[in-house]
Amino acid sequence: EDKVVQSPLSLVVHEGDTVTLNCSYEVTNFRSLLWYKQEKKAPTFLFMLTSSGIEKKSGRLSSILDKKELFSILNITATQTGDSAVYLCAVGGSQGNLIFGKGTKLSVKP
Amino acid sequence: DVKVTQSSRYLVKRTGEKVFLECVQDMDHENMFWYRQDPGLGLRLIYFSYDVKMKEKGDIPEGYSVSREKKERFSLILESASTNQTSMYLCASRKGVHYGYTFGSGTRLTVV
Repeated sequence: EDKVVQSPLSLVVHEGDTVTLNCSYEVTNFRSLLWYKQEKKAPTFLFMLTSSGIEKKSGRLSSILDKKELFSILNITATQTGDSAVYLCAVGGSQGNLIFGKGTKLSVKP
Repeated sequence: DVKVTQSSRYLVKRTGEKVFLECVQDMDHENMFWYRQDPGLGLRLIYFSYDVKMKEKGDIPEGYSVSREKKERFSLILESASTNQTSMYLCASRKGVHYGYTFGSGTRLTVV
């Protein structure tokens, strides 16, 4: 059975800290791995990763995929209170649908 | 920007009622999806559609049905609402299998 596991499930940090969120997967016929940020409502797209070892970067956020070890990390540097959200990892597999992890709830304290 | 619109943000329905959740996207996307999101369980796929008039069961289709008569609209139907269907419902669409999803704002449904 395909599965996506995120860790930790929740995390509390202070502004300015750097955080690393983890996502491991076991998915048949891997196509892509995506990261989303969800605040109060709809998840919003952050990154799509398809190739190992190539870092994607957007401001203070970056992500990388390791297809040999079947995981990805999402890094956030110099965290701000506006980074507080649930971060979702999703993997596209054989059926083409995305399989989601349960998310990591990040709380950034002032 | 692609827009995925869900008709209601909040809904309260009674047990046994038939409930329709509507989702419309405006960018000619082929694929559309319905998920529910519950604390501790994450997003679970209810139904999806890769084309007009086509529908496939996801992981938790029991108690639900869907309709896709037009490409832009994907409706989720709760035939007889029950309290265990109280949840956040998220609709998503995408251009094709090599693309990510765009989500609607969600409908928080409470069944009393």
